[in-house]
Formats: sequence, C-alpha cells, structure tokens
Amino acid sequence: RKEVEQDPGPFNVPEGATVAFNCTYSNSASQSFFWYRQDCRKEPKLLMSVYSSGNEDGRFTAQLNRASQYISLLIRDSKLSDSATYLCVVAMKTSYDKVIFGPGTSLSVIP
Amino acid sequence: DGGITQSPKYLFRKEGQNVTLSCEQNLNHDAMYWYRQDPGQGLRLIYYSQIVNDFQKGDIAEGYSVSREKKESFPLTVTSAQKNPTAFYLCASSTSTSGSGRETQYFGPGTRLLVL
Repeated sequence: RKEVEQDPGPFNVPEGATVAFNCTYSNSASQSFFWYRQDCRKEPKLLMSVYSSGNEDGRFTAQLNRASQYISLLIRDSKLSDSATYLCVVAMKTSYDKVIFGPGTSLSVIP
Repeated sequence: DGGITQSPKYLFRKEGQNVTLSCEQNLNHDAMYWYRQDPGQGLRLIYYSQIVNDFQKGDIAEGYSVSREKKESFPLTVTSAQKNPTAFYLCASSTSTSGSGRETQYFGPGTRLLVL
C-alpha cells in the first residue's frame, strides 16, 4: 500500500462548481498535513496546511480525520485558474522531517 | 527576492555521461532536498541534507551523488550508473528548526533531464 494515496482524476468540472479531493495516508505517526498545487510543468507550491480542527482559506477548505487517516480539500466556486494538479502531503518526524508527497489529483475547470 | 533557483531548465545527457544539476537558495534554510518526479507519480526523495557538510540518502539514491559544501548550494550529480535518468528534478528547502512550519518545503522551478 502506498504511503499517501489520491484519486488521480482527472476531475473535469465547469466554472463555479464545487469539487472535493480525497487523500488517505497509511502511517498513523504522521504529524503534519498539507495541500500543494502544481501547475503543468512547474514546481509544487504550498496551497495550505491542514489543521486538526479543519481550516478555510477563501474558497478552499481542508479537513483532517486522524482516526480514519483521511484528508480532504474542498474548492468552492471553481475558477479557470484553479486548473492544476493538487498534491496531498504528509509529514512525520523520523531521523529527519520526512515529507511524503501523494501522486496528485488533476483538476480541469472548464468554461 | 528570496527563493530557490535551479539550472539549467533543460539538460540533455549522453549515454555514459555524468551531469550536474545546480540548486541555490537564499532563504537561509538549513535543510535541502532533491526529488525526482516521473509522469503520474508522486515526488520521490533522492537525497537530503539537514546541515552543511552532511547529507543522507533518500528512497532512490542509487546512481546519484550530492555535496553540501555551502548552506546555499546543494548540487546533484546524475551519474552514468543511473540507467533511467529522464525525469523532472526538483530541489527544495525548508527550515530545520523545531516548531510548526518546519516541514513546509519551498521548491525551485525544476530541471528536466533528457537522455539523448
């Protein structure tokens, strides 16, 4: 089983739609959680951290369920500029700050 | 502006040739990382360094080598022993102090390596 799993998509949604991405992780020792965004042929960039109580940043809402080892990202009122691949990222403390990137979920927002 | 730079943007390697990818950061970060990304796969860790003059193998270190002589620089050499080097190579850095946010990694723009 992969350490971090995501639905690869692609998700094709119309502008203005709400879309949700799911992510599961296998190591219960995971401590920190993030969503990164990666545009085509570009580097990943931090979108938001994910906190235990859930958190929101504008149109983006992230949720964490430690018991189920599950993370989600909700995008409301999708914009064309949201088209990208969204990477679920999990971090844990080992001999170093181990960070594991999921394979990503591709989103295309259609006019 | 603070950030991470990688060069070149594209690199072509001939069979049996060693090539070196550059990574420089002026964020004053202690930790630096090299990842490889293949289509449809997540980032895989090649090497990491938490402090100058120290580095450790990641999950796929075979066929690669690194050095960390300066805090700002973490070059990656793809050796001829790496039989399938075609990929997108990403360098990242992060603070390595305790406390929240230390795991947040900031990436350079990447280098695409192609084999001729």
